[in-house]
Amino acid sequence: LAKTTQPISMDSYEGQEVNITCSHNNIATNDYITWYQQFPSQGPRFIIQGYKTKVTNEVASLFIPADRKSSTLSLPRVSLSDTAVYYCLVGDSGAGSYQLTFGKGTKLSVIP
Amino acid sequence: NAGVTQTPKFRILKIGQSMTLQCAQDMNHNYMYWYRQDPGMGLKLIYYSVGAGITDKGEVPNGYNVSRSTTEDFPLRLELAAPSQTSVYFCASTAIPVEEETQYFGPGTRLLVL
Repeated sequence: LAKTTQPISMDSYEGQEVNITCSHNNIATNDYITWYQQFPSQGPRFIIQGYKTKVTNEVASLFIPADRKSSTLSLPRVSLSDTAVYYCLVGDSGAGSYQLTFGKGTKLSVIP
Repeated sequence: NAGVTQTPKFRILKIGQSMTLQCAQDMNHNYMYWYRQDPGMGLKLIYYSVGAGITDKGEVPNGYNVSRSTTEDFPLRLELAAPSQTSVYFCASTAIPVEEETQYFGPGTRLLVL
């Protein structure tokens, strides 16, 4: 399973852009990179997914360099409601495997 | 669509008791997953299923069993509850292999084993 490494925690003021970087040095050729958001006492919620270059949706942007060994989730102008844990996942596309590995995630605290 | 539903929301068990955590989805997803999440930790995969009648072990299957008799339901069984199984349990589903599709999670079941 491709392992990911991301910061344990980050703090940001409201209105700022937040960038959370995840490293995945042993990502496989067919692996996708997916980010989830989890609020306390809730299940994770999908934010964004990408394979290479840049992906943008109404919530966030995902930047993936050419070597795909890392990725950066960008949250524009965060608000207090963005306080949550953010998980970076890399899909394991090994034969017959359908598992994703959730690390500890990055706990983002947005400060007024 | 209700999405992924889980029952019960909360349960207290005594050591050695058994129970079944229910999970159902109404999105006609083939793939379903059970995770557990300990305090301050990420999710760990217990079991998963790629379709009715097909199940396989995840990272932490010991002490659990699953069945998948229909596309909609994926119950998780604890036979002899132990304090180490105190956790929050999440069920999830996807339409196609998880590498290329998002997982939809249920609200979770909080289990306390005393």
